[in-house]
Amino acid sequence: NAGVTQTPKFQVLKTGQSMTLQCAQDMNHEYMSWYRQDPGMGLRLIHYSVGAGITDQGEVPNGYNVSRSTTEDFPLRLLSAAPSQTSVYFCASSRTGNLNTEAFFGQGTRLTVV
Amino acid sequence: DQQVKQNSPSLSVQEGRISILNCDYTNSMFDYFLWYKKYPAEGPTFLISISSIKDKNEDGRFTVFLNKSAKHLSLHIVPSQPGDSAVYFCAASSPNFGNEKLTFGTGTRLTIIP
Repeated sequence: NAGVTQTPKFQVLKTGQSMTLQCAQDMNHEYMSWYRQDPGMGLRLIHYSVGAGITDQGEVPNGYNVSRSTTEDFPLRLLSAAPSQTSVYFCASSRTGNLNTEAFFGQGTRLTVV
Repeated sequence: DQQVKQNSPSLSVQEGRISILNCDYTNSMFDYFLWYKKYPAEGPTFLISISSIKDKNEDGRFTVFLNKSAKHLSLHIVPSQPGDSAVYFCAASSPNFGNEKLTFGTGTRLTIIP
């Protein structure tokens, strides 16, 4: 059981380049989210989705796009990378409804923008 | 504006003793709280949670206490073990949202001294 899979694990981009961070889950979870982790800032929510075809902005959405065409996949797109987007990115998924559930996280993607 | 605060960036505890990690929140709408543990180069993993209708929840060596009037929660680990050395994040969610929209604290790095 793979859980939440993120690819790539590491990436270096030049300023202005675009790329897509992939996230897939095999637990049939409705909820999926993207967070970034920066030193001294904890994890901050970028975008989230409550089901296929439905996405919404989190706390720090600028410079990122998402789509949710299937239940399993939730890619995060950087349109024009900036050094401020250097961070570790985590994808998470969880079931709906019952609050007594947990969010499962992927292993993370470490992105450096030079 | 940090709605979930972990004011101690680091904590060192002797093996076998009690570890107490603290978390404060400002948003009175938060009604569900979670603790996540994170090892280097891995994603956060769920540890324990508590609903706002409770003031205590136990799971083995881990106990979470919630003081709603003080907007404060704490995680107790007894006895502390070397494998508990990790970064611990406190997280919160509010009504109408589940685990797709968590607000995280900045984390506390716990080091267990053998």
